[in-house]
Amino acid sequence: DAGITQSPRYKITETGRQVTLMCHQTWSHSYMFWYRQDLGHGLRLIYYSAAADITDKGEVPDGYVVSRSKTENFPLTLESATRSQTSVYFCASSESRGTYEQYFGPGTRLTVT
Amino acid sequence: AQSVTQLDSHVSVSEGTPVLLRCNYSSSYSPSLFWYVQHPNKGLQLLLKYTSAATLVKGINGFEAEFKKSETSFHLTKPSAHMSDAAEYFCVVTFNFGNEKLTFGTGTRLTIIP
Repeated sequence: DAGITQSPRYKITETGRQVTLMCHQTWSHSYMFWYRQDLGHGLRLIYYSAAADITDKGEVPDGYVVSRSKTENFPLTLESATRSQTSVYFCASSESRGTYEQYFGPGTRLTVT
Repeated sequence: AQSVTQLDSHVSVSEGTPVLLRCNYSSSYSPSLFWYVQHPNKGLQLLLKYTSAATLVKGINGFEAEFKKSETSFHLTKPSAHMSDAAEYFCVVTFNFGNEKLTFGTGTRLTIIP
C-alpha cells in the first residue's frame, strides 16, 4: 500500500546498545524528517533530508545519526542509546519545496532501560 | 527565532458545544500555519493549513481556523463537538524559508464530555 511506514512499532533496548529505526515512503517525496515526541515538548525535529544523500540537523540531533542512500528510505540510528532517548519517534515526508504539508508515519515507541 | 504557543494544554467541552483551541505565533516573517490532529496511538494528520490566501481556512471534520495577523493568532474552532474529536491538537508554523522545517506547539489535549 502507498504511504509512509515505520518499523518497528515498539522497541525496548538497553542503555548503550545501538538501535536503528526504519522509515519508508512510497510517494517519492523529496523531503523526509525525523521527530521525537515527549510530554510537554510537542514534536521536536531531530534530522531532516531534502533529497537522497542530503541531510541536515534539526533541533535535537545529538546522539542520533541518519543516512539517506535512497529517496524512499530514511533510517535513524541511535549509536549508543540512553534513557533520555526514551520517546515516541515519528517519521514524516513532504513533496518538493512549496507545499510544506508533511505526512506522518504511525510512530515507533522506543524504551531504553 | 520562530515560535508557536498553544495557550491551553487541556480543553474539555461537552458534546454538541463549540470548541476553541488557541494558538499564537511570533515572527517577523510571513508564516504558513497548520493544525494537525493526533488520535491516541496514531500518527499526525493534517486538519487544515493557511498559506497566505484566505484568512479563514476550512479543514476536515468541520474544523476551521482564522489567521489574524494583528493578533498573531491562528485559533482552531468547531461549532459542535463530537466524541470522535477527542485527540491531541498541534498548532504548527513554518516561515517559508524554503527548507520545509516545521515548528510545533506543545499540543492541546481535547476531551469531549458525553
